Amino acid sequence: EAGVAQSPRYKIIEKRQSVAFWCNPISGHATLYWYQQILGQGPKLLIQFQNNGVVDDSQLPKDRFSAERLKGVDSTLKIQPAKLEDSAVYLCASSKSGGANTGELFFGEGSRLTVL
Amino acid sequence: QKEVEQNSGPLSVPEGAIASLNCTYSDRGSQSFFWYRQYSGKSPELIMSIYSNGDKEDGRFTAQLNKASQYVSLLIRDSQPSDSATYLCAVNTGPSGTYKYIFGTGTRLKVLA
Repeated sequence: EAGVAQSPRYKIIEKRQSVAFWCNPISGHATLYWYQQILGQGPKLLIQFQNNGVVDDSQLPKDRFSAERLKGVDSTLKIQPAKLEDSAVYLCASSKSGGANTGELFFGEGSRLTVL
Repeated sequence: QKEVEQNSGPLSVPEGAIASLNCTYSDRGSQSFFWYRQYSGKSPELIMSIYSNGDKEDGRFTAQLNKASQYVSLLIRDSQPSDSATYLCAVNTGPSGTYKYIFGTGTRLKVLA
């Protein structure tokens, strides 16, 4: 079974530029998560989708970040314009179910963003 | 108050000792609790899940849950240098009825050979 796919693995941009990250979850997984992990910190939930609906995006800086999950499968996370503090690893994860029955999360390898 | 709290460490233990990692959470109604291990430069991977009060053992790992105290712990027996990693506590929390999967800041464990 293929795991969670993410691209690109690495991206370096100047501040005020834009960037997009792509994630393809494990086939059949209903719930998809985007986390931001700054060096030395735990993963911070940015947005959680159940199928193609948003469950939680309370920590997503909506003035610069946007995310979509069209057709309930793959997802794109965009940052525009980027700030220095956006330098982090962006982790995508998926789980078979959601809600109260959510179990293990399966993570992609992450996309490391450096903003200069 | 943070939703999931952990001591960031580092926690240093000698090889062969027991490592004890702790986590507290704020949502009293949480039902699902997880421990993930994250090696430097890698993504988190699940090592234990626990849903009921008490202990759950899996090999050298024991998870302990006390819902009354809102406390989860992970014990690693016979610690090995390969256990050196950051351990993340995660809670599937739903104080407003919609569940979201929240991680703590992680505790860095160093096992000294």
